[in-house]
Amino acid sequence: AQSVTQLDSHVSVSEGTPVLLRCNYSSSYSPSLFWYVQHPNKGLQLLLKYTSAATLVKGINGFEAEFKKSETSFHLTKPSAHMSDAAEYFCGNFNKFYFGSGTKLNVKP
Amino acid sequence: EAGVTQSPTHLIKTRGQQATLRCSPISGHTSVYWYQQALGLGLQFLLWYDEGEERNRGNFPPRFSGRQFPNYSSELNVNALELEDSALYLCASDLRTGLMSSYEQYFGPGTRLTVT
Repeated sequence: AQSVTQLDSHVSVSEGTPVLLRCNYSSSYSPSLFWYVQHPNKGLQLLLKYTSAATLVKGINGFEAEFKKSETSFHLTKPSAHMSDAAEYFCGNFNKFYFGSGTKLNVKP
Repeated sequence: EAGVTQSPTHLIKTRGQQATLRCSPISGHTSVYWYQQALGLGLQFLLWYDEGEERNRGNFPPRFSGRQFPNYSSELNVNALELEDSALYLCASDLRTGLMSSYEQYFGPGTRLTVT
């Protein structure tokens, strides 16, 4: 059974506008969720993780995500997109070593 | 501090051959994970080794196997290669204290395997 679902395969925003990358999870117990970023021809980098502590998790490069149990969501946000944010983003669940299918973020100048 | 390293960077094999991929974790990390990133399929979990033992494996056939050495480095072997095995193979490591994970997997740059 799927552990996370990334709702958008591609997201396009203009530089300076907010970013929202959506991720829903399915788990009968408290999940351990993460977001990774993969820039073209570069390795995966951990952006942030949730492990049942604070529901609002702050990550690197101004990204944050909120764990919402009532909505089974863990969406990734950033107030203002930068050109360097263009990359592929993966939501996942550490408990099942499961990565979502990825969301490619395009940032327009 | 050196990150996770993988070798070789690229590997070209023909169908039916065997491939061996290598991974060295970050110093102090005892767990090594292998993932396959095939075009259009995202990352799929292959294997997890910790303290020299296979702890979990993903939904892959037995011709995908590996081992972890006493220095915690790891090897992934793929036997009887098929065309669909062409993918980027990623290795990751994390720090575990007993059964507790740090939940921070650090990834290597990957080995690009091409099967012709």
